[in-house]
Formats: sequence, structure tokens, C-alpha cells
Amino acid sequence: DADVTQTPRNRITKTGKRIMLECSQTKGHDRMYWYRQDPGLGLQLIYYSFDVKDINKGEISDGYSVSRQAQAKFSLSLESAIPNQTALYFCATSDPGHDNEQFFGPGTRLTVL
Amino acid sequence: AQSVTQLDSQVPVFEEAPVELRCNYSSSVSVYLFWYVQYPNQGLQLLLKYLSGSTLVKGINGFEAEFNKSQTSFHLRKPSVHISDTAEYFCAVSDRGSNYKLTFGKGTLLTVNP
Repeated sequence: DADVTQTPRNRITKTGKRIMLECSQTKGHDRMYWYRQDPGLGLQLIYYSFDVKDINKGEISDGYSVSRQAQAKFSLSLESAIPNQTALYFCATSDPGHDNEQFFGPGTRLTVL
Repeated sequence: AQSVTQLDSQVPVFEEAPVELRCNYSSSVSVYLFWYVQYPNQGLQLLLKYLSGSTLVKGINGFEAEFNKSQTSFHLRKPSVHISDTAEYFCAVSDRGSNYKLTFGKGTLLTVNP
């Protein structure tokens, strides 16, 4: 079984809809991250959490919110989706005791029409 | 603030040829450096990392990278590529000032042709 899982893997939605992307991990890591990937732009950090009570904005947090329900779960929400949020979204985890190497989920491809 | 520049957005090569993917970074403190690979329709997988010590780092699938502090570079190399190496490659940097968050380059698409 994968250490970092994301649901759904693919989602098509309409402008204005609320969308939640979920991430779960079995690695026991405290740190979790949400990124978006756009062609030619690499990965941009949306939000990150260093433990259950810690939530921080990344480079591009506008239009997004997150919830850290437990050490193992970190959800990303788009309150009112817009077409330029069409992208590939990745969740990642890390453990600072292991050089903070990040482990990535398989990604969620989101299309907003 | 840290940043990463990957100098080539696309690198086409023929099978069994050598390849170098270039990465330069900026940071005001000691850094950790990473190369990740993304195969089509997959997530990111760590190829190799530099934390400290020897400047030549060996990774999976025959890749290696050399940390050059004076030139602030961390170029990725492979002496002979295979078709299966076709993927996007990302260089990333983290440091204490950023609380060890990763900053990624924009990626280099390596295409290996027969």
C-alpha cells in the first residue's frame, strides 16, 4: 500500500463549486504539504502544516483553505472553484528528523470548467 | 530567500548518450539539495540528495550530482541514458532559514529518443 494517498485522483467540476481534496499518510510524519503543479511552473506551495495545531500559508494560498484533521490527514479545499485553479495537486509529507526529505502522493488532476 | 533555476526547460537526447541537467540555487545559508523525478502520470520520486560531506552524490537509476558551493550549482548527470529515463526532473533546495521547506525549480523535461 502507498504511504501517501490522495483522493480523488481525477475530478472535473464547474466554476463556483466547492471542492475538497484529501490526503492521508501512513508514514507517521508530522509535516504535511499541499502543492499545485502547472506546466512550466514547477511546484508551488499552497499550504503546509508542521503538526496538527500548526497551519501556514505558502506562496499561493489565495482561493484555498486547509484542514489538518489528524496527524495522518490533511485536506485542501477550494471554496469556490475557478478555471485558473485547473492543475495537478500534490500532497507531501516529511519528517525533520530525516533531513526533511519529502514524500509525495500520486497527485489529483483537477479540472474546473 | 532561497530560489532555484533550472537552466533548460527541455533536453532531448539519444539513447545511450550522456546527459547533464543543470541546476543553480541561491541561498544565504547552508543548504540541502534534492533532485526529484516525475515519470508520466505519476508523483515525484526522490533521485538523490545532498546534505553534507562528499560533494559527489550518487542516486538511483545510475544518476549522480555534484554540489559546487562556489558556483552554487547542483547539476545532475548520467553517463548513458535509457528510453525509460524520459521524465521531468526537478531540482529543489531547502535551508534552515525557510524552516527546511522545499523550493522547487520549474523542471527540465528529459526526452530520450531511440
